[in-house]
Amino acid sequence: DADVTQTPRNRITKTGKRIMLECSQTKGHDRMYWYRQDPGLGLRLIYYSFDVKDINKGEISDGYSVSRQAQAKFSLSLESAIPNQTALYFCATTPGATGELFFGEGSRLTVL
Amino acid sequence: GNSVTQMEGPVTLSEEAFLTINCTYTATGYPSLFWYVQYPGEGLQLLLKATKADDKGSNKGFEATYRKETTSFHLEKGSVQVSDSAVYFCALIIQGAQKLVFGQGTRLTINP
Repeated sequence: DADVTQTPRNRITKTGKRIMLECSQTKGHDRMYWYRQDPGLGLRLIYYSFDVKDINKGEISDGYSVSRQAQAKFSLSLESAIPNQTALYFCATTPGATGELFFGEGSRLTVL
Repeated sequence: GNSVTQMEGPVTLSEEAFLTINCTYTATGYPSLFWYVQYPGEGLQLLLKATKADDKGSNKGFEATYRKETTSFHLEKGSVQVSDSAVYFCALIIQGAQKLVFGQGTRLTINP
């Protein structure tokens, strides 16, 4: 089993719908991240969390929210999805500020 | 601010060719530097890293040297294989900072 698991792997939805992407990890890391990947733009940070009570905005947090339900779980929500949120979303974890991130396999979201 | 610039792709080579993917950075502090690789349908994974000037990171036949004088961390491989086809991301983290900064990614395709 993967150390960082994302669900769903693929999702197609309509404008205005609420969507939740879930991430769970078995690595025992405190730090968890959500990134968005768009062609030619690399990875952009949406939100990050260093423990259950800690939530921080990244560079593109507008239109997104997160919940850190437990050390191992970090969910990303789109309250009202719009087409320009169509992208590949990655969850990642790390044990500390080493720069070595462990990524999930990604969740491809299409908003029609 | 802190940023990473990679050579634009896509890059297409024949098997056994020599590979260079350029990466330069700007940083307000003293960074650690990384190359991540994303194989088709997968999340990113760490390929190699270097934490101080003149360090050479290496893995799977790939190498990159931390050049402080030219603020560069170019990725090289002497003889590429079809299995090296992937997207490659250069990244940095400043000591004491909380977040990786990624370049935009370079797509590499190796033809047999």
